[in-house]
Amino acid sequence: EPEVTQTPSHQVTQMGQEVILRCVPISNHLYFYWYRQILGQKVEFLVSFYNNEISEKSEIFDDQFSVERPDGSNFTLKIRSTKLEDSAMYFCASRAVYAPYEQYFGPGTRLTVT
Amino acid sequence: AQSVTQLDSQVPVFEEAPVELRCNYSSSVSVYLFWYVQYPNQGLQLLLKYLSGSTLVKGINGFEAEFNKSQTSFHLRKPSVHISDTAEYFCAVSLTYNQGGKLIFGQGTELSVKP
Repeated sequence: EPEVTQTPSHQVTQMGQEVILRCVPISNHLYFYWYRQILGQKVEFLVSFYNNEISEKSEIFDDQFSVERPDGSNFTLKIRSTKLEDSAMYFCASRAVYAPYEQYFGPGTRLTVT
Repeated sequence: AQSVTQLDSQVPVFEEAPVELRCNYSSSVSVYLFWYVQYPNQGLQLLLKYLSGSTLVKGINGFEAEFNKSQTSFHLRKPSVHISDTAEYFCAVSLTYNQGGKLIFGQGTELSVKP
């Protein structure tokens, strides 16, 4: 069964460093999402992406964040200058055009900012 | 604004017992409702969804949920749980006017099934 994959599974970085979280969505999916979950808190929406542009973003998704689809298979989330409060589990999701209510999630990347 | 509340953070239950995981939502506009499950070291997997029609929705692995508009609830049930149902369960909503848009999640309920 096709699945969304994410790398790395765990990333440790120092405050102020840039990180790139990578996701490989399911191959025929065209809508992509990033969510995050700070330990002990809710899963929160960050951004959705379609047709090479952001379709929706949350208040959390400020200028420190960016997303990109650098090639036909990867979808990345970049945090330019990490803060301690960016420590969280980051989930990528994707969906097909014909199934707007079925988002498929990856296993997540745990980001730890020290 | 929309919000989702899962009333229990942890639910311990014995194998073969019934279980109910509670979810309430708040929204001034109509929403679609979802339950996701997350097994250890895996992504969130869609269990079931309510879009319209019958308020009793059946999902995978023997789970079902009932939409109650007057009580703004969408509780998840299973008549007899297995050890393999041990996981974290998330209730979520999305706005009906924003098809395929963001999911708004509850805090999650950790279901622990004991032998």
